[in-house]
Amino acid sequence: SQQGEEDPQALSIQEGENATMNCSYKTSINNLQWYRQNSGRGLVHLILIRSNEREKHSGRLRVTLDTSKKSSSLLITASRAADTASYFCATDADSGAGSYQLTFGKGTKLSVIP
Amino acid sequence: DAGVIQSPRHEVTEMGQEVTLRCKPISGHDYLFWYRQTMMRGLELLIYFNNNVPIDDSGMPEDRFSAKMPNASFSTLKIQPSEPRDSAVYFCASSQVDEQFFGPGTRLTVL
Repeated sequence: SQQGEEDPQALSIQEGENATMNCSYKTSINNLQWYRQNSGRGLVHLILIRSNEREKHSGRLRVTLDTSKKSSSLLITASRAADTASYFCATDADSGAGSYQLTFGKGTKLSVIP
Repeated sequence: DAGVIQSPRHEVTEMGQEVTLRCKPISGHDYLFWYRQTMMRGLELLIYFNNNVPIDDSGMPEDRFSAKMPNASFSTLKIQPSEPRDSAVYFCASSQVDEQFFGPGTRLTVL
């Protein structure tokens, strides 16, 4: 089964509103990453948060991580039409081997209406 | 750097034909990953290489799939013979450490 599961599957908001997406995972991790995919394109890395971090910011993005609940959230503030895309969380299993192998969730499809 | 390069971008073939997908990773990246993306199953890791050596191919669906990395700048994913259920978008990604850089993908349609 997928390590990361995003919630909701789809989200539609008005431009200027904030968008929050959640991710839950099952096993211990070294880090959790969020990626974005525009329609018909490859995934693009947005932000990485390590297991010993609780919150991280990058521009209009804010990511939180709660390892006790095995969950993360991605907040996009002041959304723009250009933020319309699918967003995926990805986790690497804390295997200690440093494999850098990631397991992706099925994504949240965000639509920002102008 | 031009990023991860994949070819072809689109491939339409008939059932039973051999398909070869190509990938050029970002120079200096030691890891190369092949993924398959479908609506039903999402993004699945097929195989990954470290320093040109296959590390984990447990995601390769069956013996019809094979992947090679003859050198640090080139990898292929081959499907032989292809079947309609192989229709998907195939992504190659490379990384140095944590962050993976994805190519634009190859959209494969098997008729």
